[in-house]
Amino acid sequence: DTEVTQTPKHLVMGMTNKKSLKCEQHMGHRAMYWYKQKAKKPPELMFVYSYEKLSINESVPSRFSPECPNSSLLNLHLHALQPEDSALYLCASSQDGLRREGNRGKLFFGSGTQLSVL
Amino acid sequence: EDQVTQSPEALRLQEGESSSLNCSYTVSGLRGLFWYRQDPGKGPEFLFTLYSAGEEKEKERLKATLTKKESFLHITAPKPEDSATYLCAVQAGGFQKLVFGTGTRLLVSP
Repeated sequence: DTEVTQTPKHLVMGMTNKKSLKCEQHMGHRAMYWYKQKAKKPPELMFVYSYEKLSINESVPSRFSPECPNSSLLNLHLHALQPEDSALYLCASSQDGLRREGNRGKLFFGSGTQLSVL
Repeated sequence: EDQVTQSPEALRLQEGESSSLNCSYTVSGLRGLFWYRQDPGKGPEFLFTLYSAGEEKEKERLKATLTKKESFLHITAPKPEDSATYLCAVQAGGFQKLVFGTGTRLLVSP
């Protein structure tokens, strides 16, 4: 199984709602990532979990709250979002922290959750 | 600051018409340059890793090369199924952070 599965595929939410995005992988990867991608823009790193601990937070607003319950699961909790937060949210995983030469840069991405904030 | 610039933004080719995509980078201490393919509504799919100037990697109709300042993705005799956005990325700062370029949107017409 070389898939990263993200749910839901599409999400529409109001600015007062609370919702969660979910990501799952069964490749035994120990690092998981959240990226945000606006239309016709490159993916931008938000968070990295390495061995279930948060290792990178790219100064993301607190209305985005990541959680890594175990090495296979990654959640992104959303609260009080703004319309400008509408984007494709991508989850990715890698064998380790991309440190080993054979694994560098090799991320496995899910298909993303297309989020619209009204 | 680490930067990645891709050109052209968009490229339209006829089936069989070979061409090259460019990725220029400015990084302090290159740990690797990576090419990804992204189809509409999907996440990027890893294609190649290049570590040092002079290195080349090939996969089907795609060939990636690296110099000290840029990388090229050569597409030989493309087919419509090669239509996608091609992204290049570099490792910046720590190993876990990839910085992506803005991509080249490739359309191959039959």
